[in-house]
Amino acid sequence: EVQLLESGGGLVQPGGSLRLSCAASGFTFRRYFMAWVRHTAGKGLEWVSSIADNGGRMYYPDSVKGRFTMSRDNSENTLYLQMDSLRPEDTAVYYCVKTGMSGSHSGPDNWGQGTLVTVSS
Amino acid sequence: DVVMTQSPLSLPVTLGQPASISCRSSQSLVHSDGNTYLNWFQQRPGQSPRRLIYKVSSRDSGVPDRFSGSGSGTDFTLKISRVEAEDAGVYYCMEGTVWPFTFGQGTKLEIK
Repeated sequence: EVQLLESGGGLVQPGGSLRLSCAASGFTFRRYFMAWVRHTAGKGLEWVSSIADNGGRMYYPDSVKGRFTMSRDNSENTLYLQMDSLRPEDTAVYYCVKTGMSGSHSGPDNWGQGTLVTVSS
Repeated sequence: DVVMTQSPLSLPVTLGQPASISCRSSQSLVHSDGNTYLNWFQQRPGQSPRRLIYKVSSRDSGVPDRFSGSGSGTDFTLKISRVEAEDAGVYYCMEGTVWPFTFGQGTKLEIK
């Protein structure tokens, strides 16, 4: 059974940083593209980042480019999201998601339970 | 970015009756590889989203066959042949053709 367990969420002030982690199990982690998707009350579901199976390519939307950095450790089956220069509009539930072996085009086929990030003074 | 527009945003349905959700994209979702990456997700209250349909009409394992997807180009539909109580929740379409991938705003299905 695929399991994705996020951690690292919490309350942070605007301009601050936070690092999310996602421990993956139940599948061959190194063979799959992975991603982070967030859910906000105002904008609904939004892709935050996507990373290739070998970690060689990352993709970000303009809303987080230059502030968020996604990475993975295939030896530890762990996904990371480093979030810097956080803004109130980054407040959301962040989901770690598993996607396909050749890309994320078909969307997430498995989702974690989500971790809440609140950016507020 | 591709804008995904769902309708209706609220859908009250009687148990056993059919339901249909429309999703329109601001540009064609036909990818250069020939596939059309239009996917559907269900989010039940208190749960994480779950994928139901990928590439327009392929149903995920474990998804009841009362769920079906159809469409092409920019117009897509999710249909539920006979709504059951467990189908209550929010449904999202998502395009995976043009980065950054985008979701529709969601359709809340409630049981009357």
